[in-house]
Amino acid sequence: EPEVTQTPSHQVTQMGQEVILRCVPISNHLYFYWYRQILGQKVEFLVSFYNNEISEKSEIFDDQFSVERPDGSNFTLKIRSTKLEDSAMYFCASIRAGGSYEQYFGPGTRLTVT
Amino acid sequence: AQKITQTQPGMFVQEKEAVTLDCTYDTSDPSYGLFWYKQPSSGEMIFLIYQGSYDQQNATEGRYSLNFQKARKSANLVISASQLGDSAMYFCAMGPPNFGNEKLTFGTGTRLTIIP
Repeated sequence: EPEVTQTPSHQVTQMGQEVILRCVPISNHLYFYWYRQILGQKVEFLVSFYNNEISEKSEIFDDQFSVERPDGSNFTLKIRSTKLEDSAMYFCASIRAGGSYEQYFGPGTRLTVT
Repeated sequence: AQKITQTQPGMFVQEKEAVTLDCTYDTSDPSYGLFWYKQPSSGEMIFLIYQGSYDQQNATEGRYSLNFQKARKSANLVISASQLGDSAMYFCAMGPPNFGNEKLTFGTGTRLTIIP
């Protein structure tokens, strides 16, 4: 069964450093999402992406965040200058167009900012 | 704006018993979807079941069923014959109805522990 993959599974970075989280959505999916989950808290929407542009973003998704689909398969989330409060699990999700409601989630990347 | 409320932070249930996880929601959208996801200790999000707001019947998927009461704005998850492997966090979420691509809004979750 096709699945969403994410790399790395765990990343440790120092405050102020840039990080790039990578996702490979399911190949025939057209809508892509990033969510985050601070430890012990609920999953929060960050951004959705369709047709090579952002469809919607939350108030969390400020100028420090950016998303990109550099090629036909990868979908990346960049945090330019990490803060301690960016420490969280980051989930990528995707959904195919039309006739589906299930967002397929990747296994997540645990980001630890020290 | 959409809001999901899960009032049970934790539940302990004896193995083989049925369990109901509560979820209430609030939205002004005329059509919407309600979702349940399971998050085991390993951290991944596993889709369990979906209910569309216009679906006439409650959704079922194996041992999972969704008790949808539209007038009460509730979408409780029922797990029949619980198993040790059901121990996990369970999140209720609201999102688009069929064919939609909008974001999911999650509740705070319920940690379910199955006791042998």
